[in-house]
Amino acid sequence: SQQGEEDPQALSIQEGENATMNCSYKTSINNLQWYRQNSGRGLVHLILIRSNEREKHSGRLRVTLDTSKKSSSLLITASRAADTASYFCASRGGGSEKLVFGKGTKLTVNP
Amino acid sequence: DVKVTQSSRYLVKRTGEKVFLECVQDMDHENMFWYRQDPGLGLRLIYFSYDVKMKEKGDIPEGYSVSREKKERFSLILESASTNQTSMYLCASITAGPRGYNEQFFGPGTRLTVL
Repeated sequence: SQQGEEDPQALSIQEGENATMNCSYKTSINNLQWYRQNSGRGLVHLILIRSNEREKHSGRLRVTLDTSKKSSSLLITASRAADTASYFCASRGGGSEKLVFGKGTKLTVNP
Repeated sequence: DVKVTQSSRYLVKRTGEKVFLECVQDMDHENMFWYRQDPGLGLRLIYFSYDVKMKEKGDIPEGYSVSREKKERFSLILESASTNQTSMYLCASITAGPRGYNEQFFGPGTRLTVL
């Protein structure tokens, strides 16, 4: 299956620092999406990047996509305690409607 | 405001019971999905549906079935609940729009405990 994998599994930083999370996938994709999930709650869509895009910004979020390496990164700048959550990448491609999720990175931002 | 709702946030059932998890979306989306989420395993796709009356197995369909009688409603059924089906269940929907930009919307999740 086209299992995405996030790296690192857990990340702990201080408020104000930048947080970088990486994601790798195995097959060709149409797009890749990043989601966040607060403990015990549903997923919230953050940002989507298409296969023909290399970088995208949304507020304090920056996403890059390298289709040659089958990888993506999510950068959260000037982190806040409220950014504490798990972050998942999800990819869709190969003519399939399935959205395949990675296992997630648990981010802790310490005040 | 787009919305995906699930019938219960928390559910406790006994082994062997038949369990229905309901999901409703108000965005006229064609495609709907059921996932389960477990610690260390991430999200795993159980079943999905591209249209009314259509369904397709995901990665882990065993022990589950689904029903899509109306476009806005996608039900997940546990025919005979077992303790290993204790999990967080997430419903999602997506529009079958132009390829390359289909955002998936999730419900708040149902935390099911099977005793």
